[in-house]
Amino acid sequence: DGGITQSPKYLFRKEGQNVTLSCEQNLNHDAMYWYRQDPGQGLRLIYYSQIVNDFQKGDIAEGYSVSREKKESFPLTVTSAQKNPTAFYLCASSDGTGTPEVYGYTFGSGTRLTVV
Amino acid sequence: LAKTTQPISMDSYEGQEVNITCSHNNIATNDYITWYQQFPSQGPRFIIQGYKTKVTNEVASLFIPADRKSSTLSLPRVSLSDTAVYYCLVGDLGRWSSASKIIFGSGTRLSIRP
Repeated sequence: DGGITQSPKYLFRKEGQNVTLSCEQNLNHDAMYWYRQDPGQGLRLIYYSQIVNDFQKGDIAEGYSVSREKKESFPLTVTSAQKNPTAFYLCASSDGTGTPEVYGYTFGSGTRLTVV
Repeated sequence: LAKTTQPISMDSYEGQEVNITCSHNNIATNDYITWYQQFPSQGPRFIIQGYKTKVTNEVASLFIPADRKSSTLSLPRVSLSDTAVYYCLVGDLGRWSSASKIIFGSGTRLSIRP
């Protein structure tokens, strides 16, 4: 089945550590996205990418970094510079080519990161 | 940015029809209206998308008036499993470059009771 796989499902980080969240898709989608969700809140865009080796900052990119070395993969690193990293992180992908009336984003099942 | 306004929460009972209205007064000509459903600790799931008039699929209907300044998601005969958060999005989700303009607000928290 085609879809997006995020791992791990739960992640615990000590303060001052960097951690990397994995996101892999086999939908052959060009565009990939990372969102952060805090309890009771909507989703906020962290980074997004249209093609390999290119990505753009979203609304809350500070303290995060990404890479796009392969079309299928878009890992997110939460650095020690992110002062409040405890949240639910969601990865998504889309065709992104501009075809009208597309279904938009396909989301992964998320990674819950907790700082201990 | 196409800002949307929807109720924070709604309650209903099993077997009832639920209508969630979303206001989007500054929708642009190229914008589509898309609804997502999210269960706790899961990623949002696409429900339905439309541009104008009415769209229906196996899960829901979407009603869009001629001026497109609002839309209504209709869930027929809800069950307990429809308890979730519902997001109304306005924009061109087909273009990756529009991602920064797509706003996931707090959504509508729908609770279904037996």
